[in-house]
Amino acid sequence: GESVGLHLPTLSVQEGDNSIINCAYSNSASDYFIWYKQESGKGPQFIIDIRSNMDKRQGQRVTVLLNKTVKHLSLQIAATQPGDSAVYFCAENLNTGNQFYFGTGTSLTVIP
Amino acid sequence: NAGVTQTPKFQVLKTGQSMTLQCAQDMNHEYMSWYRQDPGMGLRLIHYSVGAGITDQGEVPNGYNVSRSTTEDFPLRLLSAAPSQTSVYFCASSYRAGGTEAFFGQGTRLTVV
Repeated sequence: GESVGLHLPTLSVQEGDNSIINCAYSNSASDYFIWYKQESGKGPQFIIDIRSNMDKRQGQRVTVLLNKTVKHLSLQIAATQPGDSAVYFCAENLNTGNQFYFGTGTSLTVIP
Repeated sequence: NAGVTQTPKFQVLKTGQSMTLQCAQDMNHEYMSWYRQDPGMGLRLIHYSVGAGITDQGEVPNGYNVSRSTTEDFPLRLLSAAPSQTSVYFCASSYRAGGTEAFFGQGTRLTVV
């Protein structure tokens, strides 16, 4: 999962397996959360979001789970593909706020 | 639809030089922001703007200036470049400040020697 520090957490999975990336967020008042994917040399790209009134949200091959009790987010990627190899960031935000707070990211490598 | 466009993609500066990183968006977004990304760290907010004529400081504003004269453009100025400003810079925009997805540019990789 993600943590503050100099070393990027890494996750390696076999192609076709499911991936789970975790994130601990810091502000209990945050009410909007996003997962971003960043490929090498590119800007972060939106994957999926979730609001604090939900516990789970599904997209195409991705699911985000939110546990507000322990301030934890997870991103599940089904049937992971080589194109999923990237760094994944969670970001938290207040609906009435003025900035996002980003985690340090998790590097996902998919082994063919 | 171009989205968020940043220029240049790469830049090398000497210590003490100044320069402006350009950012433009064509989505009519009110909120724009600049982040820097350093190895092993998350994106850190430098400055942001909630609309034309309105800017404010983020987490790491020292050494940078911004202005927002139009909805579309949000340039970032380095006043006197220092090696500590070597980083990758991202501009982002969103419909509003909170509760909506932010769209990012492709980034500017800046090296200060």
